[in-house]
Amino acid sequence: KNEVEQSPQNLTAQEGEFITINCSYSVGISALHWLQQHPGGGIVSLFMLSSGKKKHGRLIATINIQEKHSSLHITASHPRDSAVYICAVRGDTGKLIFGQGTTLQVKP
Amino acid sequence: DTEVTQTPKHLVMGMTNKKSLKCEQHMGHRAMYWYKQKAKKPPELMFVYSYEKLSINESVPSRFSPECPNSSLLNLHLHALQPEDSALYLCASSQEGLSTLYNEQFFGPGTRLTVL
Repeated sequence: KNEVEQSPQNLTAQEGEFITINCSYSVGISALHWLQQHPGGGIVSLFMLSSGKKKHGRLIATINIQEKHSSLHITASHPRDSAVYICAVRGDTGKLIFGQGTTLQVKP
Repeated sequence: DTEVTQTPKHLVMGMTNKKSLKCEQHMGHRAMYWYKQKAKKPPELMFVYSYEKLSINESVPSRFSPECPNSSLLNLHLHALQPEDSALYLCASSQEGLSTLYNEQFFGPGTRLTVL
């Protein structure tokens, strides 16, 4: 079992839909990151969380430390949101432990 | 300047070639990282430099040789690579090293390497 599990693995949505991607982890962490990677591209850091909730534009990230769970929400989704979304946690060593990623496709 | 730059964007090399990947940041970050990412897989950590010293080598084969000439620059020297080394090589930087609580990593766009 991976230390960081994301669901779903693949997600197709219609433009305008509300999207949720989930991340569960099994290790103690100091922070959780949500990252975005467009096809063939580099990685962009969306959020770094250690508690509560953060919002940036149409993106919202929440974390529940007790339940070891985080969610990334996208409101009013758009085709340009199509990308791979990666959850990564920072464990005891400080290294990032990555989830397998969620591939999102938003259709017009 | 809040970005990490990497050159070249694409690189094709033969198994006998010697080439280098370059990464640069001007955010005053003191830790820099090399990751390797195969298609449809998450990145795998290769090396970490902290204050220009190699602090982590994740048992990477010696055909990959990192170098940190100064706090802004990180190189990855490649020699006698194998076709299975073809991947996206990502550089990242963070304000401080891995042991520091505030350690958001900023990633570069990557170099797409193909070994023939």
